[in-house]
Amino acid sequence: SQKIEQNSEALNIQEGKTATLTCNYTNYSPAYLQWYRQDPGRGPVFLLLIRENEKEKRKERLKVTFDTTLKQSLFHITASQPADSATYLCALSGGSGGYNKLIFGAGTRLAVHP
Amino acid sequence: EAQVTQNPRYLITVTGKKLTVTCSQNMNHEYMSWYRQDPGLGLRQIYYSMNVEVTDKGDVPEGYKVSRKEKRNFPLILESPSPNQTSLYFCASSPGTSGGGHDTQYFGPGTRLTVL
Repeated sequence: SQKIEQNSEALNIQEGKTATLTCNYTNYSPAYLQWYRQDPGRGPVFLLLIRENEKEKRKERLKVTFDTTLKQSLFHITASQPADSATYLCALSGGSGGYNKLIFGAGTRLAVHP
Repeated sequence: EAQVTQNPRYLITVTGKKLTVTCSQNMNHEYMSWYRQDPGLGLRQIYYSMNVEVTDKGDVPEGYKVSRKEKRNFPLILESPSPNQTSLYFCASSPGTSGGGHDTQYFGPGTRLTVL
């Protein structure tokens, strides 16, 4: 079955450093990959979408890469700030999984320390 | 303000007592879905709807029902709740172009359900 893996351990980094989060997937060939941010007790909020034919996407301090050969996406936050502390979810859709459903990973918690 | 609303936000109930969680969106979205979120398991899709009167099962539909009689509303029904349905539930909507799954999803604030 389709499986998405995100590091279950929290990522702790110092303010100003670059945070890098990983999303690996198996038994799936998605056409789209999305990243969401979720704060405690709140619904996820969309951050970025990248298509299978795109290698990299940027938005302000955020950068996403999508390697369909490695079946992996990396999510980078440059110049991180304490306000970036949250759980980050990756989600896949399209391709072999169909275009009607979005499959989420369990998320990685990021803590940025002053 | 564009938003997805859910009610109630918190609910404690007992086994077997039917309940409905409402979801409404004001963005004229065609695609709506329900997820449950459990620690370590992430968001799992329960049901989705691509338009009025069109619904389909997600990955964990057992024990749940949905209906889509109006475009803006997508209620989640638990006919006979059990303790294993204790979870955090999210409703989401998206424009629904070409399937809906790959659109940006707009999530509601969540409903924390406890079944005793």
